[in-house]
Amino acid sequence: QKEVEQDPGPLSVPEGAIVSLNCTYSNSAFQYFMWYRQYSRKGPELLMYTYSSGNKEDGRFTAQVDKSSKYISLFIRDSQPSDSATYLCAMKQTGANNLFFGTGTRLTVIP
Amino acid sequence: SQTIHQWPATLVQPVGSPLSLECTVEGTSNPNLYWYRQAAGRGLQLLFYSVGIGQISSEVPQNLSASRPQDRQFILSSKKLLLSDSGFYLCAWSGHNNEQFFGPGTRLTVL
Repeated sequence: QKEVEQDPGPLSVPEGAIVSLNCTYSNSAFQYFMWYRQYSRKGPELLMYTYSSGNKEDGRFTAQVDKSSKYISLFIRDSQPSDSATYLCAMKQTGANNLFFGTGTRLTVIP
Repeated sequence: SQTIHQWPATLVQPVGSPLSLECTVEGTSNPNLYWYRQAAGRGLQLLFYSVGIGQISSEVPQNLSASRPQDRQFILSSKKLLLSDSGFYLCAWSGHNNEQFFGPGTRLTVL
């Protein structure tokens, strides 16, 4: 079983839709959770960073962590064509150096 | 603000040739540094990380090596490239918190 599972998509939505991206994980020791956005042929860009359970909002983006279910989500409101990218979830344990990544979900927002 | 540079941006090398990829970070001191590889359709695989000059930890045994000759310089090398070494190589850094920030990447094609 992989440490982190992420639906690879692809996911296509019309402009203005609400997008939900999700990851599940198996290691209950993960405490730090991140979402990265990666445009084609570019390095990943950190979008959201949360610690433990709860919600975090930044503009049109909301990250949710449910540690009891080992499930994290990223919601994108009022999606724009510029949101078209691959979204990677990542997580780590306290004191560890390495991040565990999902394989990424490819999102296309259609104008 | 912090900036991370990688070069070259793209590289095409024959099988059996040597490799040297360079990563430098500006605007921070004593960062943790990381090398990842991202193969097509797959997630990010951590190759090496470093917590200080001359301190290298290898996550995956292979024909690659890493060195950190200066605080903000991280080098990925190989003496003889294999076809399977093709991929997108990403350097990342983290500070005292747990967020990792990625460089623009180097796309390596081994023919």
